[in-house]
Amino acid sequence: DGGITQSPKYLFRKEGQNVTLSCEQNLNHDAMYWYRQDPGQGLRLIYYSQIVNDFQKGDIAEGYSVSREKKESFPLTVTSAQKNPTAFYLCASSNSGQGAGELFFGEGSRLTVL
Amino acid sequence: GQSLEQPSEVTAVEGAIVQINCTYQTSGFYGLSWYQQHDGGAPTFLSYNALDGLEETGRFSSFLSRSDSYGYLLLQELQMKDSASYFCAVRGGDSSYKLIFGSGTRLLVRP
Repeated sequence: DGGITQSPKYLFRKEGQNVTLSCEQNLNHDAMYWYRQDPGQGLRLIYYSQIVNDFQKGDIAEGYSVSREKKESFPLTVTSAQKNPTAFYLCASSNSGQGAGELFFGEGSRLTVL
Repeated sequence: GQSLEQPSEVTAVEGAIVQINCTYQTSGFYGLSWYQQHDGGAPTFLSYNALDGLEETGRFSSFLSRSDSYGYLLLQELQMKDSASYFCAVRGGDSSYKLIFGSGTRLLVRP
């Protein structure tokens, strides 16, 4: 089945550690996105990528890093510089920035910093 | 930058009609989308408006007025399963690929 796979689903991290969240899509979509969601809040854009080897900062990029070496993969690293990393992280992809450009989301990764 | 405003909570009765409003500010505008998210789940796409007017998809309709920077989602014949959070999202700013979400409206459908 086509879709977006995020892993791990749950992750615990000690303060001061970097952690990488995986996002893989087999929808052949050009664009990929990372959002952060805090309890009872909306989705805030961390990074997005329109095409391989290119990505742009969203509204809350500080303390995060990404890479887009392959079309199907867009991993997110939460670095120790991120002051409050405990959150629900959602990866998404779309086939276009034009028209509806519907976003397809993965099931999310829930990160807890101990 | 971009910002969106929508009510935090709405309550309605099963079978009724509810309207969720969204106002937005953006330097460039490509379109307004709506997404539904059940607790603990991922958002799913509901509708999209690029031009003024009403778009209908089954029980859901979405409206856009670009001159007023305003849109709404209309849910008819409410069902218990419609209890969820609803987000408006705008494509705008410096890239048509950039999609910014509102803070969401939590809809509670009562029997």
